[in-house]
Amino acid sequence: SQTIHQWPATLVQPVGSPLSLECTVEGTSNPNLYWYRQAAGRGLQLLFYSVGIGQISSEVPQNLSASRPQDRQFILSSKKLLLSDSGFYLCAWSVRAGGPNADTQYFGPGTRLTVL
Amino acid sequence: AQSVTQPDIHITVSEGASLELRCNYSYGATPYLFWYVQSPGQGLQLLLKYFSGDTLVQGIKGFEAEFKRSQSSFNLRKPSVHWSDAAEYFCAVNPRSYIPTFGRGTSLIVHP
Repeated sequence: SQTIHQWPATLVQPVGSPLSLECTVEGTSNPNLYWYRQAAGRGLQLLFYSVGIGQISSEVPQNLSASRPQDRQFILSSKKLLLSDSGFYLCAWSVRAGGPNADTQYFGPGTRLTVL
Repeated sequence: AQSVTQPDIHITVSEGASLELRCNYSYGATPYLFWYVQSPGQGLQLLLKYFSGDTLVQGIKGFEAEFKRSQSSFNLRKPSVHWSDAAEYFCAVNPRSYIPTFGRGTSLIVHP
């Protein structure tokens, strides 16, 4: 079966510091990968998605970036964190092939980021 | 572009009572439809999904949802709510691409 991991689970960082959040998927190949942010009391905001190694699409202009160095690894980064970057970051994957299962997203446990 | 509306920000029910969470979507054709649940501090868990066929979909944890094309709705129901059902519920639509649209969520509060 497929599993998705995120780490760290919790992170407290000062303003201006760098960020690296990691997401890995097991048990599947060639997944679509996604990064979402969830601010307190708000819905999901899609930040980035990737359909393959090195292929990143950005949905929202910001000081965050994403990379996909390996097929099942997705990294969210920042060179300098802002207070507004605080939130709950969720990684998700979906099957890349066609058919209904290709449109079903499965989420990781999330990373709680607090920027002070 | 597609959109999803969850008109209720909060819903409060008593334990044992029935539940219906509303979801309406806007899209030119019938998209794929989903309900997710999120417990505090956790990721989203898929409850159920509709792709085609029978418009009444059964999911995990005793939930079901009914797709009504004429109303562009996909409401989530449960006949008897348990205290452990208290969580945030998200409706999502996917227009048969790989980018879904999520509703803002409905927070379910369960009174003993």
